[in-house]
Amino acid sequence: KAGVTQTPRYLIKTRGQQVTLSCSPISGHRSVSWYQQTPGQGLQFLFEYFSETQRNKGNFPGRFSGRQFSNSRSEMNVSTLELGDSALYLCASSLNQRGHNEQFFGPGTRLTVL
Amino acid sequence: GEDVEQSLFLSVREGDSSVINCTYTDSSSTYLYWYKQEPGAGLQLLTYIFSNMDMKQDQRLTVLLNKKDKHLSLRIADTQTGDSAIYFCAESRLTGGGNKLTFGTGTQLKVEL
Repeated sequence: KAGVTQTPRYLIKTRGQQVTLSCSPISGHRSVSWYQQTPGQGLQFLFEYFSETQRNKGNFPGRFSGRQFSNSRSEMNVSTLELGDSALYLCASSLNQRGHNEQFFGPGTRLTVL
Repeated sequence: GEDVEQSLFLSVREGDSSVINCTYTDSSSTYLYWYKQEPGAGLQLLTYIFSNMDMKQDQRLTVLLNKKDKHLSLRIADTQTGDSAIYFCAESRLTGGGNKLTFGTGTQLKVEL
């Protein structure tokens, strides 16, 4: 089984631009979660999608949005980029079992905002 | 609150045991996890423990849970240089119909020869 894939792996943007990151979950996984990792704030939960619906949301401004497609692939979008958005964005997929819900992580997309 | 705290650094000698500690605040957490992150990589699940257990052993890894004190630890026996990485504990809570993971700050483990 292929693991979670994320594209692109690296991205450089300038302030004010927008960016779209993509995540393909493990086959059969219907839940996709996104996390932002920075040296200062650590790993922070952005949102979770299940069956094309946002089910949980973290404390991020509305510039951060996402969606999930019928094949469970997910995208996240960041508009009006700020320097502080530079981070590693990690996507994780899971089977959506209640209780032990092992999340499998992709390698991440490293976003640099100049 | 949702803070999960870990010490930032740990340095051990190869062959020694490593103990990484974690404290969490949410008593309703159902499962607690330990993840490993190597440079330039995503997170790899190492092990997990259900909140009604005290201990779980998995080869070189031993997880201890003190639910009263909300304290979780990960012991790595016979630590090897390949164990050098950042280790994150995470608590899982049922919310919105799914599970939400809240991660600790991460502990950088350095294994010296």
